[in-house]
Amino acid sequence: LAKTTQPISMDSYEGQEVNITCSHNNIATNDYITWYQQFPSQGPRFIIQGYKTKVKNEVASLFIPADRKSSTLSLPRVSLSDTAVYYCLVGVGTFGNEKLTFGTGTRLTIIP
Amino acid sequence: SAVISQKPSRDICQRGTSLTIQCQVDSQVTMMFWYRQQPGQSLTLIATANQGSEATYESGFVIDKFPISRPNLTFSTLTVSNMSPEDSSIYLCSVVGSGRRRGGELFFGEGSRLTVL
Repeated sequence: LAKTTQPISMDSYEGQEVNITCSHNNIATNDYITWYQQFPSQGPRFIIQGYKTKVKNEVASLFIPADRKSSTLSLPRVSLSDTAVYYCLVGVGTFGNEKLTFGTGTRLTIIP
Repeated sequence: SAVISQKPSRDICQRGTSLTIQCQVDSQVTMMFWYRQQPGQSLTLIATANQGSEATYESGFVIDKFPISRPNLTFSTLTVSNMSPEDSSIYLCSVVGSGRRRGGELFFGEGSRLTVL
């Protein structure tokens, strides 16, 4: 299983762009990179997923360099409601015996 | 997508007792997982609940302490046995959604918050 490393915490002001980087040096060829968001008293929820290059959806962008040993979640113009813990997961959760293991996560605090 | 309902949402339990948490999914799923999240910590996988066979436990978790049932493709239970205060955690049921995402997508219930006195 590929292990992930993220900053434990980050602070940002409202309206700023926030970039959270995750390291996954042992990522396997079949592994996808998925980011989850967790609010207090809720289960994590899917934000974005990618395999290589750049992926963008309505809430975030995901940048993955060619070697795939890291990835960066980018949240544009954050608001107070983006205060949450963000988890980077690496693996394949659809088939086979791969399990999706959560790392420490990054606790993001948005400051008014 | 998958909608997951967990019961109970929270409970306060006495030391030495056992509690069973139920997880109901609104669609048939192959893979179901049970996670534990201790206060202020990340999620730790307890086991994979397999339909028609015994659950597969992660290192540090044993069947006698966390027996799991998976009678069909939409339901599972996790029992926390002989509880101690160290078992005070949020227990989360999760499934891998079928379809769209090639890398898989986990869906979670709201969790069951257990406090052991």
